[in-house]
Amino acid sequence: QKEVEQDPGPLSVPEGAIVSLNCTYSNSAFQYFMWYRQYSRKGPELLMYTYSSGNKEDGRFTAQVDKSSKYISLFIRDSQPSDSATYLCAMSGSGGYQKVTFGTGTKLQVIP
Amino acid sequence: DAMVIQNPRYQVTQFGKPVTLSCSQTLNHNVMYWYQQKSSQAPKLLFHYYDKDFNNEADTPDNFQSRRPNTSFCFLDIRSPGLGDAAMYLCATSRVDRGDGYTFGSGTRLTVV
Repeated sequence: QKEVEQDPGPLSVPEGAIVSLNCTYSNSAFQYFMWYRQYSRKGPELLMYTYSSGNKEDGRFTAQVDKSSKYISLFIRDSQPSDSATYLCAMSGSGGYQKVTFGTGTKLQVIP
Repeated sequence: DAMVIQNPRYQVTQFGKPVTLSCSQTLNHNVMYWYQQKSSQAPKLLFHYYDKDFNNEADTPDNFQSRRPNTSFCFLDIRSPGLGDAAMYLCATSRVDRGDGYTFGSGTRLTVV
């Protein structure tokens, strides 16, 4: 079993839809949870990060962490064609240097 | 703007011919990483530098080496590229005292012919 599981998609939605992207994990030591967006042929860019459980909102994006279920989500409201990209979840432990473990990414296409 | 810059963006090399990829950063981050990413796969950590200390992942082939001559620069050397080494190579940086993730460069796409 992989430490981080993420549905690779692809996920196609119409413009304006609410998108839900999810990851599950098995390592209870993970404390930092991140979402990266990766456009085709580019490096990942950090979209959001959350420490421990809870919600975090930034504009159209909301990140949720449920540590009891070992489940994290990224919601995108009013999705735009410019949101079309691969979304990678990532997580790490806390305290000093901690290796970040990535999911395989979910490819999202927002259709105009 | 502070950033992570990788050169070149695209590199074509011959089978078995040594190649070097470069990464520079203006963020003054103390940790630098090299990742290999193949299509539809998660980035795979090859090694990282924590300041001057080199840390190799156990499953990184000996064919891959790295140098960090100073805080700003880091190089990935592939001594004898094989067809299976064709991939996107990502450089990333972070501050060890913060858990808010990495800053990635745009990557170098390596083709082996």
